[in-house]
Amino acid sequence: SQTIHQWPATLVQPVGSPLSLECTVEGTSNPNLYWYRQAAGRGLQLLFYSVGIGQISSEVPQNLSASRPQDRQFILSSKKLLLSDSGFYLCAWSQSSKETQYFGPGTRLLVL
Amino acid sequence: AQKVTQAQTEISVVEKEDVTLDCVYETRDTTYYLFWYKQPPSGELVFLIRRNSFDEQNEISGRYSWNFQKSTSSFNFTITASQVVDSAVYFCALSSPDYGQNFVFGPGTRLSVLP
Repeated sequence: SQTIHQWPATLVQPVGSPLSLECTVEGTSNPNLYWYRQAAGRGLQLLFYSVGIGQISSEVPQNLSASRPQDRQFILSSKKLLLSDSGFYLCAWSQSSKETQYFGPGTRLLVL
Repeated sequence: AQKVTQAQTEISVVEKEDVTLDCVYETRDTTYYLFWYKQPPSGELVFLIRRNSFDEQNEISGRYSWNFQKSTSSFNFTITASQVVDSAVYFCALSSPDYGQNFVFGPGTRLSVLP
């Protein structure tokens, strides 16, 4: 069966520091991968999606970036965090764009 | 205009009451998919159901049931005999070629089931 992992679970970072969040999927190959952000009490905002290694599409211009160095690994990064980057970051995978998206446990990021 | 509307921001019910969460969507496509997810306080989104646009049969899974009506572009979710563990935020989502590769999520409905 497929599983999706995210780490760290919780992160507290100062403004201006770098960021690296990792997401890995097991039990499937060539999945679509997604990064979402959820601000406190708000809905889901799609940040990036990837249909293959090295292929990244950005939905929202910002100081975040994403990379997919391996088939089942998706990384969310920032060179300098802003206060507004605080939130709950969710990674998801699907077999294709029409298929169900399955979500990881999420990372809670607090930027101080 | 919102592509997926969940007009109920918050709902509170007492345990054992039935509750219906509304979802209205917009698309010009004839082939599309609708989803419901549950987000408990832990934060992880849990998949509940996927329905394609050609299948209008209502679905029941235990205390959960879904009513899909293309005529009104609605995909409503009913919880029968609600329990405290049903307390969560519920999201409706649409996957449609009209909107490219990705899902369109509604804003969510926060359900509180009081003991």
